[in-house]
Amino acid sequence: DAKTTQPPSMDCAEGRAANLPCNHSTISGNEYVYWYRQIHSQGPQYIIHGLKNNETNEMASLIITEDRKSSTLILPHATLRDTAVYYCIFHNAGGTSYGKLTFGQGTILTVHP
Amino acid sequence: GAGVSQSPSNKVTEKGKDVELRCDPISGHTALYWYRQSLGQGLEFLIYFQGNSAPDKSGLPSDRFSAERTGGSVSTLTIQRTQQEDSAVYLCASSFSATNGYTFGSGTRLTVV
Repeated sequence: DAKTTQPPSMDCAEGRAANLPCNHSTISGNEYVYWYRQIHSQGPQYIIHGLKNNETNEMASLIITEDRKSSTLILPHATLRDTAVYYCIFHNAGGTSYGKLTFGQGTILTVHP
Repeated sequence: GAGVSQSPSNKVTEKGKDVELRCDPISGHTALYWYRQSLGQGLEFLIYFQGNSAPDKSGLPSDRFSAERTGGSVSTLTIQRTQQEDSAVYLCASSFSATNGYTFGSGTRLTVV
């Protein structure tokens, strides 16, 4: 299964940018990087995904290094409601994986006042 | 509907009984996934549907578990002769395609007593 490495926990002050790193050194050329988060007692929530280029949406920005071996999820102005477990996942959307996502342990982000 | 709907939200059942969990995906989403999450654990893939067929059933833990999908829409996960280790939150997700982000439901919390 595709594996990513994330720090187990991070803290961030409310209103500041939260930068969550992820290493995916075994990623191959046609595999996408996805980020999800899970707030306590809820189902995971899709945040953003990308292949090569940096991506931005209303929730976050995704920065992928040129060699694609790592990425950073940026929450530009973290709020208390952003406290959650953040999962970085990569997978091959074609072939036999059929888009199956393999979730690791993620990073517990705690936003404090 | 606006999101993925799962029912029931909570289910308590006696050991040895059969249970059915239902998932209503977002209209038009052809891909549907079942995951489960035990207390304090990560997400465990169970099965994937593309339309009504299930190309990947590799995550079903035993032959007591089965799932079907009809009309390319509603899916039912059935657990026969439930055991205490089946207690978990069962999550359903749907997606327009394998490369798009997945939308998860709020899950069914199953407790086997």
